[in-house]
Amino acid sequence: DAKTTQPNSMESNEEEPVHLPCNHSTISGTDYIHWYRQLPSQGPEYVIHGLTSNVNNRMASLAIAEDRKSSTLILHRATLRDAAVYYCILNNAGNMLTFGGGTRLMVKP
Amino acid sequence: GAGVSQSPRYKVAKRGQDVALRCDPISGHVSLFWYQQALGQGPEFLTYFQNEAQLDKSGLPSDRFFAERPEGSVSTLKIQRTQQEDSAVYLCASSFLTGTGELFFGEGSRLTVL
Repeated sequence: DAKTTQPNSMESNEEEPVHLPCNHSTISGTDYIHWYRQLPSQGPEYVIHGLTSNVNNRMASLAIAEDRKSSTLILHRATLRDAAVYYCILNNAGNMLTFGGGTRLMVKP
Repeated sequence: GAGVSQSPRYKVAKRGQDVALRCDPISGHVSLFWYQQALGQGPEFLTYFQNEAQLDKSGLPSDRFFAERPEGSVSTLKIQRTQQEDSAVYLCASSFLTGTGELFFGEGSRLTVL
C-alpha cells in the first residue's frame, strides 16, 4: 500500500482556518485520498475523500495537488470540538483502510 | 440507534481468560471490519467480512484471535487465552458496499488484560 506522511501534531487558534498537510509521493493513479478524524475516546469518523479534483463538504475542504503527490485538509474555522487526530489514508481496493499515525490537532481558545 | 454498536465498551480480563467482543453494524451494511488500536497508535486492520464471508483475515495477530459473522449481520471477535499485549481498543466498522465509500466506526471496546 502507498504510504502517507503527516506531521505528528499541529496547533491552531479557535475560529481560525487550519491547513493539515499530507504527503503521498508514491500514490498510484487509482488511489483515492481519504481523511478521517478521531476525537478522544471515539472511533474514527469520515471527513472527506477525493481522487483528483478539490472537494468540499459541510465539514471541510480537500485540496489535492496537481501531481497528486500531496493534499491538504482545510478546516475553515477551527472550533474546540475539532481537536482530534486526523488521518490521511490512501485507498484503492476499498477492502480496508490502512491508518498511519495521523496528526494530532490542538485548538487553543 | 442508527450507528455501529459495540459491546462491551470496557472489559477487564485476567491473563489466560477468553473474551468475546460484539459488533452490531448499521442495518443493511454489507462490509464489516475489525481494527485493533493500541494506546497512542492508529488503528490496525485485523479482518474483513463481506456479508457472512470472511474475505481477509491477514491482520489477525495469532491463532488466538477468531472472528465470525454467521448471518451476515452481527459479528463477534473472540480472543482466547488473553495476553497482556492484547490490551487495546477493538474497533468495528461497517460500510454499505466495498469500494471507496465511507466507513462508519463504532466507539470501540477497550480490553485491559491484567
